[in-house]
Amino acid sequence: GDSVTQMEGPVTLSEEAFLTINCTYTATGYPSLFWYVQYPGEGLQLLLKATKADDKGSNKGFEATYRKETTSFHLEKGSVQVSDSAVYFCALRKEGGSYIPTFGRGTSLIVHP
Amino acid sequence: NAGVTQTPKFQVLKTGQSMTLQCAQDMNHEYMSWYRQDPGMGLRLIHYSVGAGITDQGEVPNGYNVSRSTTEDFPLRLLSAAPSQTSVYFCASTPVGSNQPQHFGDGTRLSIL
Repeated sequence: GDSVTQMEGPVTLSEEAFLTINCTYTATGYPSLFWYVQYPGEGLQLLLKATKADDKGSNKGFEATYRKETTSFHLEKGSVQVSDSAVYFCALRKEGGSYIPTFGRGTSLIVHP
Repeated sequence: NAGVTQTPKFQVLKTGQSMTLQCAQDMNHEYMSWYRQDPGMGLRLIHYSVGAGITDQGEVPNGYNVSRSTTEDFPLRLLSAAPSQTSVYFCASTPVGSNQPQHFGDGTRLSIL
């Protein structure tokens, strides 16, 4: 079946550091890929998405590129802020079959001043 | 635009009690889902629905019941609460189309004593 693997956290960084959170996936066909962010005490919200190979999703300084050859969708940000502290989830969704997305387990990011 | 609304936000129950977690969406989305989130476990799918009158089981359905009489509402019922059901519960809705993200509510934090 389909699966999404994320690096385990927590990831702890100082403010203005560079962030990478790795995400790889296993799926048949051509899934759409998503990053969601969950701030403390809130539900998940969409951060960015990419719907086909080589697409780059971006939002709030975060970027991720859909790499079909390496089945990856790594999340990056050039300079993190304390306000970026949250849990980040990678997910995929496919056409046909069950519409249910497949989520990774989430990666907690802690940014210190 | 309210999006996905979950009530209550917090609830404490005694073992054996029953209750209903409410979920409503105003975006006319066809698909709705319930998840539970526990530390270190990511999101686990409880039940989902692809339209009014249609529901199906997810990964962890035991002890929970759902119904979907309208497009807008998707309540989750705990039949006889157990301490193992202490968790944070999220409802989500999704439009048709694999490139569309899920929209999450802010969650219900449930404690079973």
